[in-house]
Amino acid sequence: GAVVSQHPSRVICKSGTSVKIECRSLDFQATTMFWYRQFPKQSLMLMATSNEGSKATYEQGVEKDKFLINHASLTLSTLTVTSAHPEDSSFYICSARDARAGGDEQYFGPGTRLTVT
Amino acid sequence: TQLLEQSPQFLSIQEGENLTVYCNSSSVFSSLQWYRQEPGEGPVLLVTVVTGGEVKKLKRLTFQFGDARKDSSLHITAAQPGDTGLYLCAGPNTGNQFYFGTGTSLTVIP
Repeated sequence: GAVVSQHPSRVICKSGTSVKIECRSLDFQATTMFWYRQFPKQSLMLMATSNEGSKATYEQGVEKDKFLINHASLTLSTLTVTSAHPEDSSFYICSARDARAGGDEQYFGPGTRLTVT
Repeated sequence: TQLLEQSPQFLSIQEGENLTVYCNSSSVFSSLQWYRQEPGEGPVLLVTVVTGGEVKKLKRLTFQFGDARKDSSLHITAAQPGDTGLYLCAGPNTGNQFYFGTGTSLTVIP
């Protein structure tokens, strides 16, 4: 149980285009999902916290108009990188908290490698 | 804001050696988690520690939560090449956000 999927796993796009990344909890309901960004050999940096049915809470320094987050259902959150630039190239990882479990544990997706050319 | 500092940042050891990774903070955490991540994949949860002073064992891995719940350690006995990866501690703050430590990249040489 507690499986989180992400799609796509890899995406290459041209500078100026937008890219949407999906994060799904497959076998549990996730009232809260988190989006992280990770550069090579570095830790995960929290970008935003997404609560189902409400606006996402962005971390300081993360542009909410550039990284659009939608959490329309208990099993799906999306991250859209708008007008992508090469510096947005990174590994994006989502995680979800099991609403029923009541604990602090999160379950992570396999990540999406974004390359902007 | 990185609330959790890990040390060492990089570690390269020979197979069979023991090692300890530290995760320190000035803040108190209700719980701390340890993850292992391999390149190109998401982190995989190893353990959650909740009680101050708690010790948990997972085969050759021993996890300890500090008495004051501000720090934690991961000890690996007789490291194997399969233990190679990025080890991350993480914990929730009072605002429902979840923050990761700075990470420890471990390489075990056969």
